[in-house]
Amino acid sequence: QVQLQQSGPGLVKPLQTLSVTCVISGDSVSSNSVIWNWIRQSPSRGLEWLGRTYYKSKWYTDYAASVKSRITINPDTSKNQVALQLNSVTPEDTAVYYCGRVVAGNGAFDSWGLGTLVTVSS
Amino acid sequence: DIVMTQSPDSLAVSLGERATINCKSSQSVFYSSNNKNFLAWYQQKPGQPPKLLIYWASTRESGVPDRFSGSGSGTDFTLTISTLQAEDVAVYYCQQYYSTPLTFGGGTKVEI
Repeated sequence: QVQLQQSGPGLVKPLQTLSVTCVISGDSVSSNSVIWNWIRQSPSRGLEWLGRTYYKSKWYTDYAASVKSRITINPDTSKNQVALQLNSVTPEDTAVYYCGRVVAGNGAFDSWGLGTLVTVSS
Repeated sequence: DIVMTQSPDSLAVSLGERATINCKSSQSVFYSSNNKNFLAWYQQKPGQPPKLLIYWASTRESGVPDRFSGSGSGTDFTLTISTLQAEDVAVYYCQQYYSTPLTFGGGTKVEI
């Protein structure tokens, strides 16, 4: 049974960098049949997919155009985790951030972290 | 981007009655090479992450009660709860995974 344990600061100042990590147990970040995603949810924007990373002989990442200039998703095989960084945040980035797993064969998010509420405020 | 539009925004259903939620995509999410619709349904309760109910538009996730069913193809999809139980009170979302950016509907709140 896969578990996704999220951690990160709950409060970030405007223009600083938001960082959330997702530690994976019961699966491998470098599995060839899994894609690791970051999704956020806010009242104003609903559920918004931010990006993903996956390994198929080498690492790949895809980002949503809305955050592409500010986002980095990094897998860490030594810690079996995936990390999200979002730079130059504004209050519009206030949201609950989730990591989510997609397994080849069903295509949908079958496992989610519990979420990390990040508030951007001075 | 594929826009997902759900209707209604909310609905009130009596216990034991049927609930029907609609989802429309701005372009087809049917992939002819594998004959599948790249469409999923999720249930979200307060304070919890979304939970996968249905994928490939009509395949129930393991452990999901059979009162939940998905149907539709192309651009029009439906989630049906055949006999509503108290524990089904939640917000339901559709999501397409046909192309990036992956996109979600705005949600439908189901109440008793």
